[in-house]
Amino acid sequence: EAGVVQSPRYKIIEKKQPVAFWCNPISGHNTLYWYRQNLGQGPELLIRYENEEAVDDSQLPKDRFSAERLKGVDSTLKIQPAELGDSAVYLCASSFLGGPGNTIYFGEGSWLTVV
Amino acid sequence: GQQVMQIPQYQHVQEGEDFTTYCNSSTTLSNIQWYKQRPGGHPVFLIQLVKSGEVKKQKRLTFQFGEAKKNSSLHITATQTTDVGTYFCAGGSASNTGKLIFGQGTTLQVKP
Repeated sequence: EAGVVQSPRYKIIEKKQPVAFWCNPISGHNTLYWYRQNLGQGPELLIRYENEEAVDDSQLPKDRFSAERLKGVDSTLKIQPAELGDSAVYLCASSFLGGPGNTIYFGEGSWLTVV
Repeated sequence: GQQVMQIPQYQHVQEGEDFTTYCNSSTTLSNIQWYKQRPGGHPVFLIQLVKSGEVKKQKRLTFQFGEAKKNSSLHITATQTTDVGTYFCAGGSASNTGKLIFGQGTTLQVKP
């Protein structure tokens, strides 16, 4: 069974440029998460979807970040415009809420460097 | 808001020594999960604890959930070089089903 797939794996952009990340969750998982992980820190939740609905976006910087999950499957996370402080790993994860304890399965991450 | 703290932040041990990392939440948790992240990799689920006072073992790893469901620990017996990585605890909010708050992790280095 395929895991959570993310692209691109690596992205280097200049500040003020836009960037988008894509995520395909594990088949059958109705909950999708976007986390941001800074170097030496734990993952920080940006947004959580249950099916198509964003049920927790309290940590998403809405002035420059946006996300969507059309049809309740794939999701994109966009940053526009990017700032130097946005350099981090953006992790997508999915889970089957209602399964054993809501175990989260992470993708390999999209490594963003803003210069 | 809910916070999850882990100590220590770093630990260097000689191969064969034991290792323990501690996790503390500011609020009561519904469950606690532990993840391992290898250098350059992504977090990988290890285990989940749900019951007050629960203890689970995976080979050389022992996980505990506190009686008050606000703290947890991971103990590794006789570390090996393959244990190198960062160990994260993640607390499930008792009031918000599905929300997990991650600690900042404990990075383990094992000297052969």
